[in-house]
Amino acid sequence: AQSVTQLDSQVPVFEEAPVELRCNYSSSVSVYLFWYVQYPNQGLQLLLKYLSGSTLVKGINGFEAEFNKSQTSFHLRKPSVHISDTAEYFCAVSDENGNKLVFGAGTILRVKS
Amino acid sequence: NAGVTQTPKFRVLKTGQSMTLLCAQDMNHEYMYWYRQDPGMGLRLIHYSVGEGTTAKGEVPDGYNVSRLKKQNFLLGLESAAPSQTSVYFCASTNGARGGYTFGSGTRLTVV
Repeated sequence: AQSVTQLDSQVPVFEEAPVELRCNYSSSVSVYLFWYVQYPNQGLQLLLKYLSGSTLVKGINGFEAEFNKSQTSFHLRKPSVHISDTAEYFCAVSDENGNKLVFGAGTILRVKS
Repeated sequence: NAGVTQTPKFRVLKTGQSMTLLCAQDMNHEYMYWYRQDPGMGLRLIHYSVGEGTTAKGEVPDGYNVSRLKKQNFLLGLESAAPSQTSVYFCASTNGARGGYTFGSGTRLTVV
């Protein structure tokens, strides 16, 4: 079974600063990895995903994430955040043969002006 | 494209009452899921379905039942609501693990 740990429950950051949201996973098999974003009072929207190949994955809104198999991590980064990036971000993992996503507890990104 | 539609969006129940949440998707997805979201706990899987006529238990199935009589619909039932079931419920669908999920906008349920 897979599990996901998001290391920070909240990350405050000033506008135009870089940000990294950390995600570690555990699994005994190959996995697919995802980041979702949830804006207030909305559903979850897919930000990016890693399936195979290049370990650096680019997503929407200028976000990117790097898959590190040896450290079992999939950290999300953005070089310069905007106020509109304020949201909750969820890391999720699925094994290649399964069709169930396991989510982390979420990280609330608060961008301050 | 509507995607995944959840009804109702809000509901207040009294303890012991029953209700059904409806999820409808128009993407011809095989797999459908019900999650609940509670602060600091992420999304936890209640039940899921891998195709029409099939259902399976997830991580937190107690107190809930589901049915998938039609491919496009996935119903979540609460037979006797309890305050511990106060939560935001999300439905999602997909055609496979590689594609990621499409989520509905959620149902906010309060049990008093």
